[in-house]
Amino acid sequence: AQSVAQPEDQVNVAEGNPLTVKCTYSVSGNPYLFWYVQYPNRGLQFLLKYITGDNLVKGSYGFEAEFNKSQTSFHLKKPSALVSDSALYFCAVRDAYTGFQKLVFGTGTRLLVSP
Amino acid sequence: DVKVTQSSRYLVKRTGEKVFLECVQDMDHENMFWYRQDPGLGLRLIYFSYDVKMKEKGDIPEGYSVSREKKERFSLILESASTNQTSMYLCASSLSSDLTSKETQYFGPGTRLLVL
Repeated sequence: AQSVAQPEDQVNVAEGNPLTVKCTYSVSGNPYLFWYVQYPNRGLQFLLKYITGDNLVKGSYGFEAEFNKSQTSFHLKKPSALVSDSALYFCAVRDAYTGFQKLVFGTGTRLLVSP
Repeated sequence: DVKVTQSSRYLVKRTGEKVFLECVQDMDHENMFWYRQDPGLGLRLIYFSYDVKMKEKGDIPEGYSVSREKKERFSLILESASTNQTSMYLCASSLSSDLTSKETQYFGPGTRLLVL
């Protein structure tokens, strides 16, 4: 069975500092991994995905994520946080060969960027 | 841009009422999904559909049903609403039913349902 863990309910960072939001996964086969962001009272917006290839994936709004197969992790990063990055972040995974693109989501991590 | 719309942003219903949540996508996507989002639980899949009139149960289908009569529209039905169905409901769609497709899911803005 597929699963995702986001070990931190909340991450606090000062504006201008680097940020990391952690995600670890478990799948039986090759993983497809996704990050989504949710701003208050909004739906989820796609940030980036890892399918195959380079372990460092670049996405929207200056975010990137590093796929680490040995540690089964896919941490979201940004070199310099903005106050406007404050939101709820979800990691999601699917097995590459699971039908119909079913995603399994983590519980979410709230990012708070202080001025 | 893909657009996924949901018929209501906020709904208040009474216990026992039949509730319809509507979702429409404008990009001819084959797959459509209904999730509920609860604090500390993340998103959980209720039902999904990979074609017109086709549906599959997700992880928490109890108390819900769905309808997909047209490709662009996917309805979630609460036959008899209960207080434990108070939640945020999110609809999503994605392009291909190919098992190995790398397509992303696109989400609507959500419907916050309160059952009294």
